[in-house]
Amino acid sequence: AQSVTQLGSHVSVSEGALVLLRCNYSSSVPPYLFWYVQYPNQGLQLLLKYTTGATLVKGINGFEAEFKKSETSFHLTKPSAHMSDAAEYFCAVSDRAPIRGGSQGNLIFGKGTKLSVKP
Amino acid sequence: SQTIHQWPATLVQPVGSPLSLECTVEGTSNPNLYWYRQAAGRGLQLLFYSVGIGQISSEVPQNLSASRPQDRQFILSSKKLLLSDSGFYLCAWSLHNSGYTFGSGTRLTVV
Repeated sequence: AQSVTQLGSHVSVSEGALVLLRCNYSSSVPPYLFWYVQYPNQGLQLLLKYTTGATLVKGINGFEAEFKKSETSFHLTKPSAHMSDAAEYFCAVSDRAPIRGGSQGNLIFGKGTKLSVKP
Repeated sequence: SQTIHQWPATLVQPVGSPLSLECTVEGTSNPNLYWYRQAAGRGLQLLFYSVGIGQISSEVPQNLSASRPQDRQFILSSKKLLLSDSGFYLCAWSLHNSGYTFGSGTRLTVV
């Protein structure tokens, strides 16, 4: 069974500093990996995803993540934090690969990391 | 383009009252549909998912039920709400491997 661990329920950085949100996964099949962002009282928005191909994935708002199979990690980074990046971030893994002509497997979410950005 | 609508945005209900939350999707056919609950400090909990009309899978035993009367409509219900049903409820849809698209959520407070 798949699982996701996000290290650190709260991360605080200064504006302009590097953002690093950690995510480790467990999967018995090649994983599909996702990062979502949630602003207060809103739904989740997809930041980026890894399915196949290039292991460094670029997403919206300047975020990127690198799939490292040997480390079973998919950490989210951004070189310079903005105040508007303050939100909760969720890492997720698909519990099975999509079948031909079918729809993707259900996502397993981590517990989330709240990012605070100090001025 | 695809859109997902979820309502109401907020809801305050007394213990023992019924519940009906509705989610509709536009611009796609035969999506997978999901109901999640988000409680403070507990992350996202998958409640139900549906791969087609009338097909509902429940992930956890609970006081809630779900129905899918039409291809793009997903309803979350309860006959009698409990205090523990309070939380932020999110509907989502997916198709192929494009990731989930979430609705804007419903904040339910049971008093």
